[in-house]
Formats: sequence, structure tokens, C-alpha cells
Amino acid sequence: DSGVTQTPKHLITATGQRVTLRCSPRSGDLSVYWYQQSLDQGLQFLIQYYNGEERAKGNILERFSAQQFPDLHSELNLSSLELGDSALYFCASSSSGTPFNEQFFGPGTRLTVL
Amino acid sequence: AQSVTQLDSHVSVSEGTPVLLRCNYSSSYSPSLFWYVQHPNKGLQLLLKYTSAATLVKGINGFEAEFKKSETSFHLTKPSAHMSDAAEYFCVVSDRYGGSQGNLIFGKGTKLSVKP
Repeated sequence: DSGVTQTPKHLITATGQRVTLRCSPRSGDLSVYWYQQSLDQGLQFLIQYYNGEERAKGNILERFSAQQFPDLHSELNLSSLELGDSALYFCASSSSGTPFNEQFFGPGTRLTVL
Repeated sequence: AQSVTQLDSHVSVSEGTPVLLRCNYSSSYSPSLFWYVQHPNKGLQLLLKYTSAATLVKGINGFEAEFKKSETSFHLTKPSAHMSDAAEYFCVVSDRYGGSQGNLIFGKGTKLSVKP
């Protein structure tokens, strides 16, 4: 158990809808990273927050947004969902703002868009 | 641009035999390199990392990897496979000064099967 929690575990929704994925980092970790894992694209970095501020952006679509709250939990919002957004979404946390330190991954949220 | 290529999508070994998972990277600068493991229905776990110290890196569960700059490789090895090693393994590069802003670039993964 990495200490990173993600909810929900599974999410099934329809095209055009909006969903929110939630992540609680390990106690004391200030950085939260979001990743998308799909069969065709593999594992891709989406976005990083450090102590409430956006630190880095990867291949995140404009329809997606994230934020990190004062208690350090983070939410990833996915809107106008398309079939291709079906994937496993991972959150990871680390103690520092640099990605070179070990990142601890949550179990993921499996999103299915029908 | 940084990239990482895992040369085998699937490797199958017998329990007790050596494991070799191959990884080549491309990086303009001095990279940091990692191997992560993902067991079925679980998140990823760091096995080991190279950050310009010793070129032979020892990780958890008996795994190790050797950084070879001349070959741009970072292959993962283990002398003797165990059934519990069956999982998917990801080679990852991070380029501190490159376009990825230092964030992690993942390979496509190698699925390791271990036969009894």
C-alpha cells in the first residue's frame, strides 16, 4: 500500500458528460501528479501540482483540468467526455517538487466512457 | 526530445532462470532513469533509479540495472526469476533540462511472465 488513495475505483459514464476524480497524497507529500494509462497511448504524464500551485503540464487536453486544495488533496476534472478518454487514471505523490524523487502511485481510477 | 524504447513487449521465463528486460533511451542531456513495476490491478512501484551516481544500480526484490551511456541503454536484470515477479515493467526517463520539464516519460512496458 503506497499511502496514496484514489476515488472512485471505477467510473462508467456517457459521452459528453463530466466527471471528477479524486486523489489524496501520502501524508506530508506536497506534490501530486496525474497520469493517464491507455492501451494505445501508454502511460502519459498529464499535470503536476506542488503545494497548491500548478508546477508542470504534460499532454493534458483543454477539456481536462485539475486543482490541488489547501489540504493537499487533488481533483482531476474531465469534461465533454469522448470514447477515447476511457483509460486508467493514476495519481502519484512525492515529497518534493522535482519529479526525480520517488513518486508513490495510487491504485488508479478506471474510467469507461460509453 | 526525450524518449524511451522497451525492446520487448512480452518476455517469458521459467522460475529460477535469469530475467533481462531491455530498454534504450534518447536524451539530449544527462538523464535520470527509472524502472517501475505494475502488478495486475495495482499502481506503479519504483524498482530502482539512476541519477548519475554509480552506473550499476541495485533495486528492490533482487533487481538491478546498468546505465551504459555509449549504448544509451538501461537494461533491467535479475539472476533468478520468482513467480511473484510476473508483472508489467516500465522503463522511464526524466530529462532535467529537456522539453519534458523534467517530468517522467514512460516506455510502452514489458509484460513479464514467469512459468513454474
